Amino acid sequence: DGGITQSPKYLFRKEGQNVTLSCEQNLNHDAMYWYRQDPGQGLRLIYYSQIVNDFQKGDIAEGYSVSREKKESFPLTVTSAQKNPTAFYLCASSITAGGASNEQFFGPGTRLTVL
Amino acid sequence: GENVEQHPSTLSVQEGDSAVIKCTYSDSASNYFPWYKQELGKRPQLIIDIRSNVGEKKDQRIAVTLNKTAKHFSLHITETQPEDSAVYFCAATYAGGTSYGKLTFGQGTILTVHP
Repeated sequence: DGGITQSPKYLFRKEGQNVTLSCEQNLNHDAMYWYRQDPGQGLRLIYYSQIVNDFQKGDIAEGYSVSREKKESFPLTVTSAQKNPTAFYLCASSITAGGASNEQFFGPGTRLTVL
Repeated sequence: GENVEQHPSTLSVQEGDSAVIKCTYSDSASNYFPWYKQELGKRPQLIIDIRSNVGEKKDQRIAVTLNKTAKHFSLHITETQPEDSAVYFCAATYAGGTSYGKLTFGQGTILTVHP
């Protein structure tokens, strides 16, 4: 299960606060992704990045922001503009953006609760 | 964009029975279809995948079939065991050239195998 890590495992936030979720990988993967998981809704893509210093919005980017300053790191900030942020957040990475291999490796997740 | 529908949302079987989970996709350009298994409290992990140049792929007790004409694919688990109990997600994407592997996931199926 090593290779991609997320921290913290549990995070509590007061309304109106921004919080940043960490995602690090040592797999030398080019692409990284952030998903939100809610019961009965599968995994929904928030943001993704194919290379350093580049990222694109996914299907539910509103209220979130990301950065990709280093290949191994892809932090996600949940801003106060996100109306319903309580969820399980999963980070993933893949060896290449497109091409022959598309397997995504997931981190252990961060459970965010807004108080 | 791609839309993936997954059924059933819950599936309960007796140990030793077979289980089938079905997914349909909307984008005829999709050519890569992975299945992920997520055990309770753990990260999703790839269990099998299929590309559009084949109609079926097997790996021990797990098989996936693909019907490109009808745009649906299915996961088959034979001789189910209690440790198969988990949430299963299907996904679809176009993979090739410079296109990145942005996966669209189904809503998930909670499989329960009763001893």
